[in-house]
Amino acid sequence: VLTQSPGTVSLSPGQRATLSCRASQSVRSRYLAWYQQKPGQAPRLLIYGASSRATGIPDRFSGSGSGTDFTLTISRLEPEDFAVYYCQQYGIFGGGTKVEIK
Amino acid sequence: QVQLVQSGAEVRPPGSSVKVSCKTSADTLSSSSVSWVRQAPGQGLELMGRIIPVLGVPTYSQRFQGRVTITADRSTSTVYMELSSLRPEDTAIYYCARDLCSGATCSWWFDTWGQGTLVTVSS
Repeated sequence: VLTQSPGTVSLSPGQRATLSCRASQSVRSRYLAWYQQKPGQAPRLLIYGASSRATGIPDRFSGSGSGTDFTLTISRLEPEDFAVYYCQQYGIFGGGTKVEIK
Repeated sequence: QVQLVQSGAEVRPPGSSVKVSCKTSADTLSSSSVSWVRQAPGQGLELMGRIIPVLGVPTYSQRFQGRVTITADRSTSTVYMELSSLRPEDTAIYYCARDLCSGATCSWWFDTWGQGTLVTVSS
């Protein structure tokens, strides 16, 4: 099981967002990924291998963590970053964190 | 550029089946696993199953075992997902997504997604 927190976070553009993904047992970092999903769109791969940015992903997005605790950080929120974010390991997705405009 | 193109929206009565397609290129199919992920309205993402087309053997999530069938037609570079015994709670958007594989070893990072197919189950 992957548990994401918070469920929803309200932030302003320019602020830093820190999203958590906790696994019920230790996972291999190589298989931990993060996705962004906007309304009406398919998910988009942001981070793979816990910390590597996918092609075309801005460097304000970063991933970190190991074992059971992983973090997605957005250093300075841009208007287009307000969306839902999911972590995933093998066939399991977390429940998602919604980043909304404050 | 890798692309996955899915078939259009479907409306089905309860108890029936639906078959959704996901078309790509031969090159993509030969180096990928294709998974099916569903998203009920306002809900999160749920993996239903996947197939590595060059190996041909699908695997299914326990939750869908017995109701879902995933197949690959290498001659048309198309992967299919059929869901049977439909109920209203199967109303969802169904996505195909691919990850890179080398033989049976896959990355499990879904770097390309189809556009999604809305399946509505209603009498």
